[in-house]
Amino acid sequence: ETGVTQSPTHLIKTRGQQVTLRCSSQSGHNTVSWYQQALGQGPQFIFQYYREEENGRGNFPPRFSGLQFPNYSSELNVNALELDDSALYLCASSPMETGPNYGYTFGSGTRLTVV
Amino acid sequence: GESVGLHLPTLSVQEGDNSIINCAYSNSASDYFIWYKQESGKGPQFIIDIRSNMDKRQGQRVTVLLNKTVKHLSLQIAATQPGDSAVYFCAESENKIIFGKGTRLHILP
Repeated sequence: ETGVTQSPTHLIKTRGQQVTLRCSSQSGHNTVSWYQQALGQGPQFIFQYYREEENGRGNFPPRFSGLQFPNYSSELNVNALELDDSALYLCASSPMETGPNYGYTFGSGTRLTVV
Repeated sequence: GESVGLHLPTLSVQEGDNSIINCAYSNSASDYFIWYKQESGKGPQFIIDIRSNMDKRQGQRVTVLLNKTVKHLSLQIAATQPGDSAVYFCAESENKIIFGKGTRLHILP
């Protein structure tokens, strides 16, 4: 059984650029949730995907968007990067059948730095 | 509004002693609570969970207590070990999982 894998592990972007982060869900998990974790803070919910559609969204602007693919993997896209977007981006997968918010498995995250 | 908070940003405990990490939540509708452990450079790792119809749940060396009257959650770690050093987050779930800010647990030799 493989866990949640995220790529890349680290990334440096310039303000105004666009970035795509990737996540492969754990085997058997069909729901993916994305979180943003600023330094010294708890993870903040961005959105969740199930059956390739958004299934709930946190308080993030539209320049944060996502995709889920038929194999349940997912992408997080952020347009027009701002300095405050610098954070650890976490992906978590879970099995919808037990409830989308149970059985979360987190990846190790992508550390994004915007300069 | 929704919020989950922890009482202390840092907790130092002697190795071998018991650790108690506290958390207050504000959403009465939350029906599921989780404790996570996050080590440096890693994502949050599930420790133990509890549903709102329970007051106490025990795992291996860990116990979670839920007091719905005062909206308080605690994590007790028995016989704290060096490997327990990490940031601990409580989280609540109604329709999404909401994390608190975290408590950093330091183990003193």
